[in-house]
Amino acid sequence: EAQVTQNPRYLITVTGKKLTVTCSQNMNHEYMSWYRQDPGLGLRQIYYSMNVEVTDKGDVPEGYKVSRKEKRNFPLILESPSPNQTSLYFCASRSLAGGHEQYFGPGTRLTVT
Amino acid sequence: SQKIEQNSEALNIQEGKTATLTCNYTNYSPAYLQWYRQDPGRGPVFLLLIRENEKEKRKERLKVTFDTTLKQSLFHITASQPADSATYLCAPTPNSGYALNFGKGTSLLVTP
Repeated sequence: EAQVTQNPRYLITVTGKKLTVTCSQNMNHEYMSWYRQDPGLGLRQIYYSMNVEVTDKGDVPEGYKVSRKEKRNFPLILESPSPNQTSLYFCASRSLAGGHEQYFGPGTRLTVT
Repeated sequence: SQKIEQNSEALNIQEGKTATLTCNYTNYSPAYLQWYRQDPGRGPVFLLLIRENEKEKRKERLKVTFDTTLKQSLFHITASQPADSATYLCAPTPNSGYALNFGKGTSLLVTP
């Protein structure tokens, strides 16, 4: 089944403790992206990647890092999480050869205390 | 600055009626406009894409219009059903399609 998977789905952590949220897609998509979604602010893009070793900042990249060492994986790294990074995070992917529609993962709900 | 506006107030309609949702944008020149559906706590799901040279696009009970002069897209669900209750997001899409911004979404509630 074609899908985007994220792990973990839920995470509660403390300020300053480094964490990684993994994202993987099995559709051989070139493009992958991370979003965060907050009440009243909608879906905002954090980082995106057009292919392996190519990443670009979105609208809200501060406090996040990403890497794209393999085509299928696009992990989101929070080196020193803070409470204002408490949010619902979505990973998405799409093919650059086809249409523009993005396929989203199920989401990761992160709470930083 | 770029702005995408969708009705922040929830839209409540009766089953069987047509729901119409609005997406207005400023300081964009999108080549496409996408609409997504999002259920609570879940990832958005792609519904329709309309190109700048298309006035209207249909898919089953869904219809999207795109007016680049008004900088507006309308999203219609005809013969609405309670299962259509969800939040609908629009995304004006530049030709490159690499950075994608979404509107905040409009919540639709269809009551029996």
